[in-house]
Amino acid sequence: AQSVTQLDSHVSVSEGTPVLLRCNYSSSYSPSLFWYVQHPNKGLQLLLKYTSAATLVKGINGFEAEFKKSETSFHLTKPSAHMSDAAEYFCVARMDSSYKLIFGSGTRLLVRP
Amino acid sequence: GAGVSQTPSNKVTEKGKYVELRCDPISGHTALYWYRQSLGQGPEFLIYFQGTGAADDSGLPNDRFFAVRPEGSVSTLKIQRTERGDSAVYLCASSPTGEGGEQFFGPGTRLTVL
Repeated sequence: AQSVTQLDSHVSVSEGTPVLLRCNYSSSYSPSLFWYVQHPNKGLQLLLKYTSAATLVKGINGFEAEFKKSETSFHLTKPSAHMSDAAEYFCVARMDSSYKLIFGSGTRLLVRP
Repeated sequence: GAGVSQTPSNKVTEKGKYVELRCDPISGHTALYWYRQSLGQGPEFLIYFQGTGAADDSGLPNDRFFAVRPEGSVSTLKIQRTERGDSAVYLCASSPTGEGGEQFFGPGTRLTVL
């Protein structure tokens, strides 16, 4: 069965410092992988997606993620955190040709001034 | 253009009551999904519609939950005899097609069962 593990429930960084949100997936196949962001009272927004093209994926707002098959990881990074990045982030997997999204439990990013 | 909308944004009900949650997908999207997000967890799949039919309802927790999409656009999630454990945020998403397409999420309905 496919599953997604987000290793940190909370991450706190200072504004202007790098962000690293960790995600590992478990699958018998190579899944499609996504990162979504959820701001309070807003819908989930797609940050970026990996679909077996380039392993380094660039998304919106300066975020990027690297697919590492050998480590079954898809960590999300950003060089410099901004206050507006404070939100809940979800790593998500989807089997090829499927529609069902499998969500991790989420990581709450706190950005200190 | 308008995104996915959900009404109400908040619903408080008493144990045992019946509730309906509504989802308006993006115009022209044939696929519609419902997810449930319990406190401190990621969303979990409930049901998938392709057009008017429920293509996969394997995520519905029990027979108290039912969803319809009679005209292939608006969908209603119905919960009978609500229980406190049903308290969660119910999310709706739509996509242009069923397989492989990006899912666009609504803001959710927060259901509280007292």
